[in-house]
This record gives sequence, structure tokens and C-alpha cells, in this order.
Amino acid sequence: GENVEQHPSTLSVQEGDSAVIKCTYSDSASNYFPWYKQELGKRPQLIIDIRSNVGEKKDQRIAVTLNKTAKHFSLHITETQPEDSAVYFCAASMESGGNQFYFGTGTSLTVIP
Amino acid sequence: GAVVSQHPSWVICKSGTSVKIECRSLDFQATTMFWYRQFPKQSLMLMATSNEGSKATYEQGVEKDKFLINHASLTLSTLTVTSAHPEDSSFYICIIPRRVTEAFFGQGTRLTVV
Repeated sequence: GENVEQHPSTLSVQEGDSAVIKCTYSDSASNYFPWYKQELGKRPQLIIDIRSNVGEKKDQRIAVTLNKTAKHFSLHITETQPEDSAVYFCAASMESGGNQFYFGTGTSLTVIP
Repeated sequence: GAVVSQHPSWVICKSGTSVKIECRSLDFQATTMFWYRQFPKQSLMLMATSNEGSKATYEQGVEKDKFLINHASLTLSTLTVTSAHPEDSSFYICIIPRRVTEAFFGQGTRLTVV
């Protein structure tokens, strides 16, 4: 099955700096890669996603890049703010696999004011 | 409004008792629902795939007799933790996919077994 790895597990940045979280996946059939932000005790919320036919997608301060050949994708947060502090999960999914989502291990991001 | 409703949001039970968690799709019919478990400071781990009208598919290492899943209708799946023990204490979340690019999360259920 699919195996998703995520790095780093913890990340601290100064407010205003950028944060980058990286994920790799193993199954080349995966074609959808969402990123979720989870605040303490709450359900994960989708913040951005990318499909395999696109190399990059941006939404204001958040961007995601995908390298299909290398099977890795990254989340970029620019001009970080304290409210960006949360746990971020990447995931991989494939339509042919019944839409199961395989999650990365999570990155705890702390933005220091 | 909410697309998925999961109940209860938290529950405390005594060791040896059973707990039922419900996951409801409010806006669309769902033939498939996923049950995940999340331990503190860890990722979401797929436990099983709930299939309407058929048996659930369990991930390796998940005891099907302990985690009973029933998906009797297109809008409801239930997860029953039988004979719960403290090590079953966790955050359980259902996820309902609608399309490849759409997945709706339940609110999650924090289970504490004492």
C-alpha cells in the first residue's frame, strides 16, 4: 500500500519567516495530495490541495509544489503568523484505490511572535 | 453547514464496556466511509473502510472483533469499540469521501477508558 513520510516532525519559525514542510509518497498511482491543518482537539481542516496533473498551486500565503518523478510534495507558508501554529498533515490518495487517504506523520509548527 | 456529523464528541467509559460512535453523512449518500484513529501527537491511522451493505475492510493489525463496524445505510456508519481497555483511549475520526478531491471529516470522538 501507500506509504507517506513527512518531515520535519516539529518546526519553529519566527513570525514573518517562511515555513516549509515536505512529504514523500511511495505509490506512483496516487493522484491527489491534500494538506490539512489541525488545531488542538479539533478535526483537520483542508487548507490546500494539488492534483497530479499540476506542479504548483498557490492560495495567498500558502503554496504546494508537487514533483511526480521524485514522488514528493511540499507545503510552503510565507509571512507566517502566530495563528499558523498548528499540526499540519499531508496526505495522498488515489481514485482507483477507493479514495482512501494515507496521512503523513504530522508536523507541529510553532510560529514565535 | 456541516456535511458530516459524528457523535459523541467525547466519551468516558469503564474498562470492559462497549462504546458506539456514529458517523452520519448529512448532505449526500456515502457508500464508503473511513474510520481513523489518532493517538496523542501522532498521525491519523486508517483502521477500516466501511462499505454500505457489505463487510468492512480492516487494516492489518486492527481487530475486527474488537472494532465492530456497521454501515447499514448510505448515510450512517457506526464504530463500536467492544470490551474497551485503557489502551483504546484515542481520538477516533470518520472521513467520508465524495469525490477524489473531496473528503469530509467528522468532528472526532475522544474516547477515554478508565
